[in-house]
Amino acid sequence: AQRVTQPEKLLSVFKGAPVELKCNYSYSGSPELFWYVQYSRQRLQLLLRHISRESIKGFTADLNKGETSFHLKKPFAQEEDSAMYYCALSGGATNKLIFGTGTLLAVQP
Amino acid sequence: NAGVTQTPKFRVLKTGQSMTLLCAQDMNHEYMYWYRQDPGMGLRLIHYSVGEGTTAKGEVPDGYNVSRLKKQNFLLGLESAAPSQTSVYFCASRIAGGYNEQFFGPGTRLTVL
Repeated sequence: AQRVTQPEKLLSVFKGAPVELKCNYSYSGSPELFWYVQYSRQRLQLLLRHISRESIKGFTADLNKGETSFHLKKPFAQEEDSAMYYCALSGGATNKLIFGTGTLLAVQP
Repeated sequence: NAGVTQTPKFRVLKTGQSMTLLCAQDMNHEYMYWYRQDPGMGLRLIHYSVGEGTTAKGEVPDGYNVSRLKKQNFLLGLESAAPSQTSVYFCASRIAGGYNEQFFGPGTRLTVL
């Protein structure tokens, strides 16, 4: 079964500290993986996807097929990074996204 | 472009009442989705549509119905609301093919008393 696990409900760090938001997935084929972000009182928006291998707002995520992980990382957290982050998986021809339960990142000044 | 819009933004219902949530998109997207967001459970897919006139069940379809009579609109109906349907509802859309990047609406906060 397809599943996305985000083990941390809340991650609190100080400004300037490194951040790692964990995401593990379960999928038998070749998945597409995404990170979506929801800032306070805003809609969900795509942050990055593994296919692009890009860095957005200083965040990167590497797909590790051996560990079935897609952790989101940033070397130096900023207060404006505070938001809810969702990892999502898409696989096969279903055209659907399977979301994790989300991690609330709180960056303290 | 307004992108994806949702109507209404907030609603309070009594148990047993019915209502329809409207999602509209002006990006000519083929695929549209309805999710519910609950604390600790993330986003769960209710129903989705891959084109005008077609709909399919998602992960949690019970108690909901949908219709896609026009390409730009996707309606979510609650025939007899229950307190368990208290949630924030999000609509999303995307193009067919390509990457599965979905564009989300601002959400509708529904409370069922």
